[in-house]
This record gives sequence, C-alpha cells and structure tokens, in this order.
Amino acid sequence: AQTVTQSQPEMSVQEAETVTLSCTYDTSESNYYLFWYKQPPSRQMILVIRQEAYKQQNATENRFSVNFQKAAKSFSLKISDSQLGDTAMYFCAFMKPFTGAGGTSYGKLTFGQGTILTVHP
Amino acid sequence: GAGVSQSPSNKVTEKGKDVELRCDPISGHTALYWYRQSLGQGLEFLIYFQGNSAPDKSGLPSDRFSAERTGGSVSTLTIQRTQQEDSAVYLCASSPGISSYEQYFGPGTRLTVT
Repeated sequence: AQTVTQSQPEMSVQEAETVTLSCTYDTSESNYYLFWYKQPPSRQMILVIRQEAYKQQNATENRFSVNFQKAAKSFSLKISDSQLGDTAMYFCAFMKPFTGAGGTSYGKLTFGQGTILTVHP
Repeated sequence: GAGVSQSPSNKVTEKGKDVELRCDPISGHTALYWYRQSLGQGLEFLIYFQGNSAPDKSGLPSDRFSAERTGGSVSTLTIQRTQQEDSAVYLCASSPGISSYEQYFGPGTRLTVT
C-alpha cells in the first residue's frame, strides 16, 4: 500500500515571498502520478499541479512548481510570489493508474495529512 | 461548463438514522469517486465507479455504507444507522475516465451525526 506524508501541519509566509511545502511518499510502483491539491475554506478541492513519475522534468504551473526527487520519493511544492488567495490547506496525493476496459483510465488518490498555509499581508 | 455538484451542502442527523448524499458529476465524465474527510482519518478513498459499476469498493468502512450510480451519471452514497464517527465531509470527484487521471472535486457534504 502507498503512504503519503506531509510533515508540516502548518506553514506561514508573507505576501510576495516564496514558500516550500514538503511531501514524501512510499511506494514500490514505478509508474504513478503525484498531485498537489489546494482546499480553501470553501472546501472545494482544486488541482494545483501534477507530475508523472516517468518524467524527469519538474512540473511548473505559473507561480507553482515542484521538486520531484524520485529516488528519494520526495515531491515538494514551491509557491513563488505568494498571494493572499493562496491561503488554504494543501494536500499532496499519490495515484497508481489503472487501465480498464475500453482504454479507460482511473486511479484512487491517496492523500497526505495536509498542510495549512497562511499568507500574511 | 458546470462543475461537480453535491447535495445537501450540510446535513445534521440523529444517531441511528439513515442518510443519502448525492453527487452530480461533470457531464460526460465516466469515472466517479467518493472520498471522506474527517479529523481523525484525514482524506480517504471510499468507492470508485466506472459507468454504473463499482470495480473498487475497498474503502467503504463498513456494510452500513453503500453507493450506487444510475444512468452513468448521478451517484448516491447511503449511510445506514449513522454513528457519531460517520461525521465528516464527504467529497465526490469525477474524471473523464478516458486517458485522463485528473479528478475534479465537488464542494462536499458536511455530515454531522448528533
């Protein structure tokens, strides 16, 4: 079974600064996906960024980037130029993909415990 | 287009009562997932649907929990004889299911069992 660990229950950062959230995982799989989701107080889970394990290049989405270290099983999220709207709980998640009948793709997410990020003005 | 919707947004029920939680996935999404978010257990997978069938029910915590999906669209999660430990936010997600692993989440239903 896969496990995902986020060792930082809470983090805070000043507006416009950079913050890094940590995530480690444990798996024996070679093909998998890693995600960072954001959950603001509205409860709506929003996908921030995705990384395929077979890709060596770190994923980037605007101000969000990851540091993916496959051998170390580490997947940290860096938020640059932090904004007040970034205040939320952030979850790291692991997915082992399956291909079912008809070429369908699916996989259940295994989440870490979450990190509450507060951006201060 | 419209995102994943869930109803009710909040539900308070008495211990021992049955509850039904509803999920409307994004139109055309064939894959549907239920997750539970609680203080003690964090975010955990409950069940996965592909079309109307549920090939993975491994996360359902007990036989008091069941789910169905009709017409390949709406899904209902039913909890019978609710217990206080069932109090949680129940999240639904859908995915295109064809060459896509991204899941789109609804706003969740907060269930409180008194």
